[in-house]
Amino acid sequence: ELKVEQNPLFLSMQEGKNYTIYCNYSTTSDRLYWYRQDPGKSLESLFVLLSNGAVKQEGRLMASLDTKARLSTLHITAAVHDLSATYFCAVTSGGGADGLTFGKGTHLIIQP
Amino acid sequence: KAGVTQTPRYLIKTRGQQVTLSCSPISGHRSVSWYQQTPGQGLQFLFEYFSETQRNKGNFPGRFSGRQFSNSRSEMNVSTLELGDSALYLCASSVSGTEFGSTEAFFGQGTRLTVV
Repeated sequence: ELKVEQNPLFLSMQEGKNYTIYCNYSTTSDRLYWYRQDPGKSLESLFVLLSNGAVKQEGRLMASLDTKARLSTLHITAAVHDLSATYFCAVTSGGGADGLTFGKGTHLIIQP
Repeated sequence: KAGVTQTPRYLIKTRGQQVTLSCSPISGHRSVSWYQQTPGQGLQFLFEYFSETQRNKGNFPGRFSGRQFSNSRSEMNVSTLELGDSALYLCASSVSGTEFGSTEAFFGQGTRLTVV
């Protein structure tokens, strides 16, 4: 059974600081997704990482994937209040089973 | 282009009733997946439909069912509602399914179901 663990689950930080969210998964996966969710809203796709060593950046967010370690990171640089949200990572097990398996999410609060 | 549309946005139902939720995927997308989101269990996969066929199913009781029409629109049905079915139900649209090569899945706004 594929399991996905995120940490931390809750993070309060100040504007201007840097921080990293970690996503570990238990079995081989060929792609990893990062989503953002604002309160009461749907999931917004941030990044899709398809191969070992993949790195993608959008604004103050950068995601990377290490398939050998089964680890993805989402790095926030010089955080701003607008990045406050819950961030989810998700993986596919491949082979046509089980859809996306999500982590519990990281609830991020960025204080001015 | 238009995104994924879910209707209704909010529903309040009584225990024992049944409910039907609808999802219209992005034009050209043939895969629709459904997820349940609750504070306790997080996001859990319900099932996935492609070309009117259910390809995958998560670990949910038989009270949860779905179907897909020829225009790729999908419905999910929950019969004999229980209090624990209160959740945000999200559908995701992709070209061929994330398990079958699609690199992106786009989510609808969700239907907030409250069972009283």
